[in-house]
Amino acid sequence: GEDVEQSLFLSVREGDSSVINCTYTDSSSTYLYWYKQEPGAGLQLLTYIFSNMDMKQDQRLTVLLNKKDKHLSLRIADTQTGDSAIYFCAESMNSNYQLIWGAGTKLIIKP
Amino acid sequence: NAGVTQTPKFRVLKTGQSMTLLCAQDMNHEYMYWYRQDPGMGLRLIHYSVGEGTTAKGEVPDGYNVSRLKKQNFLLGLESAAPSQTSVYFCASAGWPTGELFFGEGSRLTVL
Repeated sequence: GEDVEQSLFLSVREGDSSVINCTYTDSSSTYLYWYKQEPGAGLQLLTYIFSNMDMKQDQRLTVLLNKKDKHLSLRIADTQTGDSAIYFCAESMNSNYQLIWGAGTKLIIKP
Repeated sequence: NAGVTQTPKFRVLKTGQSMTLLCAQDMNHEYMYWYRQDPGMGLRLIHYSVGEGTTAKGEVPDGYNVSRLKKQNFLLGLESAAPSQTSVYFCASAGWPTGELFFGEGSRLTVL
C-alpha cells in the first residue's frame, strides 16, 4: 500500500542548512506537501510542490522532487532556533484531498 | 480570521464515557477531516466529509462517529471511550485547489 517514510530526528547547528528527506510510494500523487508542527500546536503548511515540478524555492526553503526515485526533500537555509519543530511530509491520495502522512522528523537545533 | 477552532482543548474521560469534540471553520471550506496523532505514528485519518450532510470513513474509524449538519461544523463523537483512544485529535479543513489543510490547535483526550 501507499506509504511515506522519513527519519524521526535531525540535529543541526544554528546557522547551518537542514535537509529533511522523505520517500513516498504513490507515483500518481498530484501534490506533495511539507507541514510544520510547533510544540502544542496544530500543523501549518510550509510549502508544497506540484508533481510536474523538480524544484521549488521560497525564501529560505528549497523543495526538491525526484519522481524517478520517489524522493522529496526540504532544505532550510541558515537554520534558526525558531525552526525547531516537527516537519511532516505528505502526499495527496485522491481528489478528496486525503493525504498520506509521514511520521514526522523532529528538527533539533544545537547552539 | 479564526480559521479552524476546536473545543474542548483538553478532556479526561473514564472508560465507557461518551463525549463530542466540536470543530468549526470560517473559511467556507467543503472538505473537513478528523485526525488523531500518536507519538511516532504521524497523523491517521479517522473520518472526513466532502460537504454538508456527508461523512466518510478514513483509516481508523472504529469507535468514532461524526456528523456534518452544517457546512462550518464537523463533530467527532466517542460513544464509549476506551484507553486506546487516548490521543491528540486534530480537525482540519481543505482549501481549493491545492488542498492545503488548515488545522485546529488540537484536543488532548485522556481516557482512564
